[in-house]
Amino acid sequence: ETGVTQSPTHLIKTRGQQVTLRCSSQSGHNTVSWYQQALGQGPQFIFQYYREEENGRGNFPPRFSGLQFPNYSSELNVNALELDDSALYLCASSLPSGSETQYFGPGTRLLVL
Amino acid sequence: AQSVTQLGSHVSVSEGALVLLRCNYSSSVPPYLFWYVQYPNQGLQLLLKYTSAATLVKGINGFEAEFKKSETSFHLTKPSAHMSDAAEYFCAVSDRKGNEKLTFGTGTRLTIIP
Repeated sequence: ETGVTQSPTHLIKTRGQQVTLRCSSQSGHNTVSWYQQALGQGPQFIFQYYREEENGRGNFPPRFSGLQFPNYSSELNVNALELDDSALYLCASSLPSGSETQYFGPGTRLLVL
Repeated sequence: AQSVTQLGSHVSVSEGALVLLRCNYSSSVPPYLFWYVQYPNQGLQLLLKYTSAATLVKGINGFEAEFKKSETSFHLTKPSAHMSDAAEYFCAVSDRKGNEKLTFGTGTRLTIIP
């Protein structure tokens, strides 16, 4: 059991709206990464947070933003939702820098209409 | 930039038969390589990882993979398929430590025929 949880499990939004997805990492995991997995595709790296600072970003526009909190929880915010944002959003946490394994949560499935 | 290519988006094998899922990588530096499994409506679970130690890596559920630098491959195998192995399998590469950006392949859906 990885101990990484995400909420909500499913979400429906309309185009142009804003959404916040939440992730709770395992205790002691101060690195969290977010991935977007479109239907039938592999996960795509959005960004990573380490000690509450962004620590690397993939090819995603600025309307994708994040926060990490001292209690090992984190958020992914997406503004001005587009139809193509419909996907499974996964967060993954890992031990302090130097660890080799990311532990994934079950994901939040977002549908944009 | 790192990349992985998974050959075969769908693979079907009979129960008890050999499972072979193919992954080739591209990396300008020594890579770290991973195989993850995803069951329906679930997140990703790590099967095994290669981090420049032994080239033959054993993972959970009887899976193993061999790192072949000359072939830039990291194929996943299991001697005898079980019905519970039916899932989506993803190969991933990282160019540094495993907690850095993972680049995933497009996945291989494994179907087990009774």
